[in-house]
Amino acid sequence: NIVMTQSPKSMSISVGDRVTMNCKASQNVYNNIAWYQQKPGQSPKLLIYYASNRYNGVPDRFTGSGYGTDFTLTINSVQAEDAAFYYCQRIYNSPYTFGAGTKLELK
Amino acid sequence: EVQLVETGGGLVQPGRSLKLSCVASGFTFSSYWMYWIRQAPGKGLEWVSSINTDGGSTYYPDSVKGRFTISRDNAENTVYLQMNSLRSEDTATYYCAKVRRGVMDAWGQGASVTVSS
Repeated sequence: NIVMTQSPKSMSISVGDRVTMNCKASQNVYNNIAWYQQKPGQSPKLLIYYASNRYNGVPDRFTGSGYGTDFTLTINSVQAEDAAFYYCQRIYNSPYTFGAGTKLELK
Repeated sequence: EVQLVETGGGLVQPGRSLKLSCVASGFTFSSYWMYWIRQAPGKGLEWVSSINTDGGSTYYPDSVKGRFTISRDNAENTVYLQMNSLRSEDTATYYCAKVRRGVMDAWGQGASVTVSS
């Protein structure tokens, strides 16, 4: 089974900074990746699908990129409301494996 | 507005069964695949099951295969998760999710399941 490895596990960032987090697949998943944001006490929300497509209503400071095995979620000019866990997920073919997540904290 | 409401969670003893329901509204339920996803306390997300639009195809990871069964009633806009032979490691919040083009674009608020004696 494909393993999705996210890094870093956590990061502490100041408002206005640029953030990059990574997701590495153990095999080629082409562009079959989604990114989700989960704030404390809430359900996850879809941010990015098929590696680089921003979902409806997602601010344009969120950008997804990558293909094959290496993927990146970038947040330009982080806002206080972006403090959350971020998960990547293999999509389109089962098993639909998630990464372990990256926790984004604001200083 | 899309809404997904899970019910049926609770405390159950190891080895027993529990059935979760997820009632959908705000979209044409019969046109979409549905997934169940779970999250153990303080842990990440785990895909638990998938069902296609007419219920004729279902999918599970090895961790629940043979114990969990997903089903749906398109007339009632409801997807179910029958969980048998429950184990302590099944303790989690269970979310149902609407799937569009292979991506979960709407999630319920979750139902809490605790497996303990």
